[in-house]
Amino acid sequence: GAGVSQTPSNKVTEKGKYVELRCDPISGHTALYWYRQSLGQGPEFLIYFQGTGAADDSGLPNDRFFAVRPEGSVSTLKIQRTERGDSAVYLCASSSGGAQYFGPGTRLTVL
Amino acid sequence: AQSVTQLGSHVSVSEGALVLLRCNYSSSVPPYLFWYVQYPNQGLQLLLKYTSAATLVKGINGFEAEFKKSETSFHLTKPSAHMSDAAEYFCAVSDLNAGNMLTFGGGTRLMVKP
Repeated sequence: GAGVSQTPSNKVTEKGKYVELRCDPISGHTALYWYRQSLGQGPEFLIYFQGTGAADDSGLPNDRFFAVRPEGSVSTLKIQRTERGDSAVYLCASSSGGAQYFGPGTRLTVL
Repeated sequence: AQSVTQLGSHVSVSEGALVLLRCNYSSSVPPYLFWYVQYPNQGLQLLLKYTSAATLVKGINGFEAEFKKSETSFHLTKPSAHMSDAAEYFCAVSDLNAGNMLTFGGGTRLMVKP
């Protein structure tokens, strides 16, 4: 079946702009996770949804970052007033209680 | 708090040689442990997982890992390296009490020489 998909695959924006990154999880997976992977490092947890609610957002670096999952399926990660330090690959994963399955990621570049 | 340490950010082996990638973890609760592989410009692919059943876990592409509680280790091995195994490998630990969020190690880049 279809895996986790993420759009766009690449996003280039200017400092101070607003961006939205989308994640389509595997159908039926109730848990959805966002991670951020900086160059040469392992992914770092941002936020976790169980159904529609954010069960744990302790990894969000500051209040410029926000994520929603209004219908318990697709999720959008929103970043306001982007900074050069936000440049990274943003990974989404979904799970039905076992292992997490990752999407290909969105590479965000803030100029 | 959980943490994962992967010893050796780069490992180089010859084609056909044994692959050994090291992972040590720290966890206050019985852990679930995972190995993921990441090919260039791609997402992470699950290689194998340990979820408190058999301590020797077999995964895809001929890889396996052994959970050793006394050593807090979960090293990844493959008897004979193939050129296509060249990639970045990540060890991760999750905590059921924290929604299964994954804590990753820094990764090990495996290079395979012909």
